[in-house]
Amino acid sequence: DADVTQTPRNRITKTGKRIMLECSQTKGHDRMYWYRQDPGLGLRLIYYSFDVKDINKGEISDGYSVSRQAQAKFSLSLESAIPNQTALYFCATSESGVGTDTQYFGPGTRLTVL
Amino acid sequence: AQSVTQLGSHVSVSEGALVLLRCNYSSSVPPYLFWYVQYPNQGLQLLLKYTSAATLVKGINGFEAEFKKSETSFHLTKPSAHMSDAAEYFCAVSKAAGNKLTFGGGTRVLVKP
Repeated sequence: DADVTQTPRNRITKTGKRIMLECSQTKGHDRMYWYRQDPGLGLRLIYYSFDVKDINKGEISDGYSVSRQAQAKFSLSLESAIPNQTALYFCATSESGVGTDTQYFGPGTRLTVL
Repeated sequence: AQSVTQLGSHVSVSEGALVLLRCNYSSSVPPYLFWYVQYPNQGLQLLLKYTSAATLVKGINGFEAEFKKSETSFHLTKPSAHMSDAAEYFCAVSKAAGNKLTFGGGTRVLVKP
């Protein structure tokens, strides 16, 4: 079984709809991240959480919100989706502490906003 | 603020030829540097990382990268390309262990038979 899972894998929605993307991990990591990937722009950080009570904005948080329901679960919400939020979304996890710098990525969610 | 520049959004190489992917970074502190690979329809996986130890870093699948502080570069190489190397490659930088990553725009590698 995959260590980092994302649901759904694909989603098509309409402008103005509320959307939630979910991420679960079985790695036991404290830190979780949400990125979006756009062609030519690489991955950009939306939100990150270093533990259940710690939520931080990334470089492109406008229009998004997150919830860390448990150590293993980190959800990303689009309150009112717009077409320029069409992208590939990745969740990632990492351990905390010295020498724990590798991030582990889920398979991604492809979101299309019409 | 940190930034990462990958020169060339697409690279085409022949099977058996050298693969060279360029990455330059800017960072106000000694950086941690990473190369990740993304195969079609998959998430990213770590190829290799530099965390202030040896400047020549060896990774998986025959890839290696050299940290050159004077050139602020961390170029990725593989002596002989294989068809299975066709993927998108991302260079990333962070300020410290476990810190946020800043990614470059990615380089898509096409391997010709």
